[in-house]
Amino acid sequence: KQEVTQIPAALSVPEGENLVLNCSFTDSAIYNLQWFRQDPGKGLTSLLLIQSSQREQTSGRLNASLDKSSGRSTLYIAASQPGDSATYLCAVKVGQAGTALIFGKGTTLSVSS
Amino acid sequence: DTGVSQDPRHKITKRGQNVTFRCDPISEHNRLYWYRQTLGQGPEFLTYFQNEAQLEKSRLLSDRFSAERPKGSFSTLEIQRTEQGDSAMYLCASSPGGPGYTFGSGTRLTVV
Repeated sequence: KQEVTQIPAALSVPEGENLVLNCSFTDSAIYNLQWFRQDPGKGLTSLLLIQSSQREQTSGRLNASLDKSSGRSTLYIAASQPGDSATYLCAVKVGQAGTALIFGKGTTLSVSS
Repeated sequence: DTGVSQDPRHKITKRGQNVTFRCDPISEHNRLYWYRQTLGQGPEFLTYFQNEAQLEKSRLLSDRFSAERPKGSFSTLEIQRTEQGDSAMYLCASSPGGPGYTFGSGTRLTVV
């Protein structure tokens, strides 16, 4: 059974710091991996999607990497800002068809000014 | 296109009552998903539709839960005889069949 773990559960940093969020999954046979952002009481916003054949994806200050063989992904946030404060969720898709995403519990990030 | 819409945003109900939530996906998306998220947890899959066909249901979807997607457009999720353990955020997502998902803002259910 696929399980997704995110470490740390919470993280507090001062504005301007670079930071790394970690995601691990138990079964390397994934179709893709996606990072989402969730603001309190809101839905999910997709940040980056990495196909199983890819090693990394970048969008602005965000960079996500994927090491499928070791079952790990990282989300790197450069020059953090208070507006980055949110919960970041990692999710894996295990099949090509309509199979569901399996989520971790998330990392709650707080960036202080 | 305004994205995935969910209604209502919040619902407070008494234990034992029935509730129904609605999801309007992005119009050209043929796949629709329901997830449930409790406090401090990641979303958990409930069910999935491709067009009007319900193709997969999680074990979390007890017989008190039913979902429909008539004509492959909007979807409804009904919970009968609500229990306090049903209190959660119910999230809907749609997909065009490719790798990406678009989530709605969710319906927060509180059972008192």
